[in-house]
Amino acid sequence: DQQVKQNSPSLSVQEGRISILNCDYTNSMFDYFLWYKKYPAEGPTFLISISSIKDKNEDGRFTVFLNKSAKHLSLHIVPSQPGDSAVYFCAAKGRNTPLVFGKGTRLSVIA
Amino acid sequence: SQTIHQWPATLVQPVGSPLSLECTVEGTSNPNLYWYRQAAGRGLQLLFYSVGIGQISSEVPQNLSASRPQDRQFILSSKKLLLSDSGFYLCAWQHSNYGYTFGSGTRLTVV
Repeated sequence: DQQVKQNSPSLSVQEGRISILNCDYTNSMFDYFLWYKKYPAEGPTFLISISSIKDKNEDGRFTVFLNKSAKHLSLHIVPSQPGDSAVYFCAAKGRNTPLVFGKGTRLSVIA
Repeated sequence: SQTIHQWPATLVQPVGSPLSLECTVEGTSNPNLYWYRQAAGRGLQLLFYSVGIGQISSEVPQNLSASRPQDRQFILSSKKLLLSDSGFYLCAWQHSNYGYTFGSGTRLTVV
């Protein structure tokens, strides 16, 4: 049973435009959500996170939105740059439980 | 500062051979440690986690085992590898209530 779902395996966006990556979750006990970025043959690196008590968190070009009622979160990257091309993993966590990851979305930013 | 080391970076092993992957953390004590695997089309799957020496929790029944012989050492093992064990194995440590830092990963190919 997949608790964190990223239904789009891939996304292509033109440089300078907005990238929107989506994530859905099923476990209402999750209270913290994170996005990780992963390049091939490397470990994932933390990008941005949001607590369940907030609905938006912004860090430079990256913004995460959380809709608790819909159990949905999204990552917005604007403007998108070629260096943003990577696999993005959505992850969720409850207190005292391990991080659960989605299957990832491969973002390609085309120059 | 805290660092996480994982080796080897790549490994090619025949079916039926044993496996030992090692992960160590420096600069912290009593960390929560995790083994994840990234297999094709499966995202980041949690395999094992440990909250202390000798304490191992298994998330997915499989051909693998984990041990934590020392506070900052986490080992992933198998007595006999299967083709389906191929994947990218990642060790992580939990540095805050919700933050994980990953190692650089091991690409295992079972032939």
